[in-house]
Amino acid sequence: RKEVEQDPGPFNVPEGATVAFNCTYSNSASQSFFWYRQDCRKEPKLLMSVYSSGNEDGRFTAQLNRASQYISLLIRDSKLSDSATYLCVVSQAGTALIFGKGTTLSVSS
Amino acid sequence: NAGVTQTPKFRVLKTGQSMTLLCAQDMNHEYMYWYRQDPGMGLRLIHYSVGEGTTAKGEVPDGYNVSRLKKQNFLLGLESAAPSQTSVYFCASGLANTGELFFGEGSRLTVL
Repeated sequence: RKEVEQDPGPFNVPEGATVAFNCTYSNSASQSFFWYRQDCRKEPKLLMSVYSSGNEDGRFTAQLNRASQYISLLIRDSKLSDSATYLCVVSQAGTALIFGKGTTLSVSS
Repeated sequence: NAGVTQTPKFRVLKTGQSMTLLCAQDMNHEYMYWYRQDPGMGLRLIHYSVGEGTTAKGEVPDGYNVSRLKKQNFLLGLESAAPSQTSVYFCASGLANTGELFFGEGSRLTVL
């Protein structure tokens, strides 16, 4: 089983839609969780960290469920500029980050 | 502010040739990483370093070697390139325990 699994999509949504991505991880010792964004043919960039209590950054909300080993990202009021691949990232203490394969989002007008 | 710089950005090799990818960061980060990204495979860790003079294997280390002689530089070497090493290579750096990695723009390598 892959350490970090994501639905690859693509998710095709109209502008203004709400869309949610899910991610599961296999190692219960995982301690840190993140969402990265990668635009086509560009390098990945940190979108947001994911905290146990859940956290929000503008239109983006991240949730963590340690019992189910599950992370989610919710995007409200989608914009054309949100079109990208979203990478779920997990790490254990002292180890390198493990990236999921990514979920592709396409927002259309 | 340069951040993370990778050279070269593009390279075409013949099977059996050798080459070195250079990664340089100007943020005084301790941790540096080399990933490869292939369609449908996501980012896979090749090697990483937690400080000057140290290196460690990642998920897919075979066929690659690395060196971290200076804190700001992390070199990735291919001793005898194979077509299976055709990929986009990303270098990244970061501070320990923050989870935020800063990536270079990538190096596109084709092995014929």
